[in-house]
Amino acid sequence: SQQGEEDPQALSIQEGENATMNCSYKTSINNLQWYRQNSGRGLVHLILIRSNEREKHSGRLRVTLDTSKKSSSLLITASRAADTASYFCATDAYSGAGSYQLTFGKGTKLSVIP
Amino acid sequence: NAGVTQTPKFQVLKTGQSMTLQCAQDMNHEYMSWYRQDPGMGLRLIHYSVGAGITDQGEVPNGYNVSRSTTEDFPLRLLSAAPSQTSVYFCASSRLAGLKETQYFGPGTRLLVL
Repeated sequence: SQQGEEDPQALSIQEGENATMNCSYKTSINNLQWYRQNSGRGLVHLILIRSNEREKHSGRLRVTLDTSKKSSSLLITASRAADTASYFCATDAYSGAGSYQLTFGKGTKLSVIP
Repeated sequence: NAGVTQTPKFQVLKTGQSMTLQCAQDMNHEYMSWYRQDPGMGLRLIHYSVGAGITDQGEVPNGYNVSRSTTEDFPLRLLSAAPSQTSVYFCASSRLAGLKETQYFGPGTRLLVL
């Protein structure tokens, strides 16, 4: 079962605008990661934020984490057409017998219109 | 480094046929995993391995077998293909088995079962 759920499912913006995607999860986590997937390709890691961090930056990416609300957001500033992709959050989830696994959400499909 | 490679890129099978999806990585990663991606479902973990000779089941293991005889290779076997196994399959690896590790994904194998 999915631990993280992204919102919105799809987002369409003009080039130059900011894009914000959200991820909500159900159970406590140690880390949360964001990945990007271009159409027909594998996923590429963007950023990891630990449970004791509230905000992290990487270039035009800004990730926030609110463990009290069990949610994270990914902000892409000054979007470009090349940012068009699907974005996934991934959280560690307890899978039984003392084991944790990385669980991906369903993703947000971002379209940046030139 | 080639990273994570997968073969074949595309495959069409008839119901009941068997086949092996190949996955290899040249980064000396301990952890390898297989996911399937279906429309609207995100990525679901099939099987994973924390090192050579060690494998375990993920969320959706039925109908699939894996083995890990070397660090580099992690093949996924479909024993008797069913239309429900039509999907895009991704192999991923990470340096260690920890949940804070970046996952490196292969380009995927598109499988159609008729």
